[in-house]
Amino acid sequence: DTAVSQTPKYLVTQMGNDKSIKCEQNLGHDTMYWYKQDSKKFLKIMFSYNNKELIINETVPNRFSPKSPDKAHLNLHINSLELGDSAVYFCASSQAWDRGGEQYFGPGTRLTVT
Amino acid sequence: DQQVKQNSPSLSVQEGRISILNCDYTNSMFDYFLWYKKYPAEGPTFLISISSIKDKNEDGRFTVFLNKSAKHLSLHIVPSQPGDSAVYFCAASAWGSQGNLIFGKGTKLSVKP
Repeated sequence: DTAVSQTPKYLVTQMGNDKSIKCEQNLGHDTMYWYKQDSKKFLKIMFSYNNKELIINETVPNRFSPKSPDKAHLNLHINSLELGDSAVYFCASSQAWDRGGEQYFGPGTRLTVT
Repeated sequence: DQQVKQNSPSLSVQEGRISILNCDYTNSMFDYFLWYKKYPAEGPTFLISISSIKDKNEDGRFTVFLNKSAKHLSLHIVPSQPGDSAVYFCAASAWGSQGNLIFGKGTKLSVKP
């Protein structure tokens, strides 16, 4: 039973394309997040949603648009992909949104833009 | 500007010995600290945490120490096992930060049999 799942695990695409990454959690958590791990290995938060409402929107290009159809899902859509978007994207969830404690991460999606 | 720093990119330890992983932070508003463990091709998994009202938290072989005055925390693993070989991330958050975890760059621990 996977707690936080992401699809696809690997994504190779060309510059200018539009792609989506899906995330689902079966932990009953209210809050979900998207993180980006770049080539320097830093894990940085991009967005967080609490009960389908956007809570955190860090300095991310508006080509990135999260969508939360329900509190168990948080998808990430990326328009007009650029080379610099190549990274590993992690989805995470937690019970509490008021502090960053004990977030549970998915396995990651390795995006390669050529 | 890195608010959470893990200055050792790697650490090698013999099985059975103690592993000590260090983390420094600069933001005095941080009040909750976590350690995550990450295997290749997997997401980070939560290991142990500590609130700023404590200076030590223990869970089995894992102990986290917090020195607020030095803005320093450390993770001790005793005894170290080969299965502990992974990348360890230190993370911190501040009350009211709405779930914003700030991560360090990670330290790769290798435990040799």
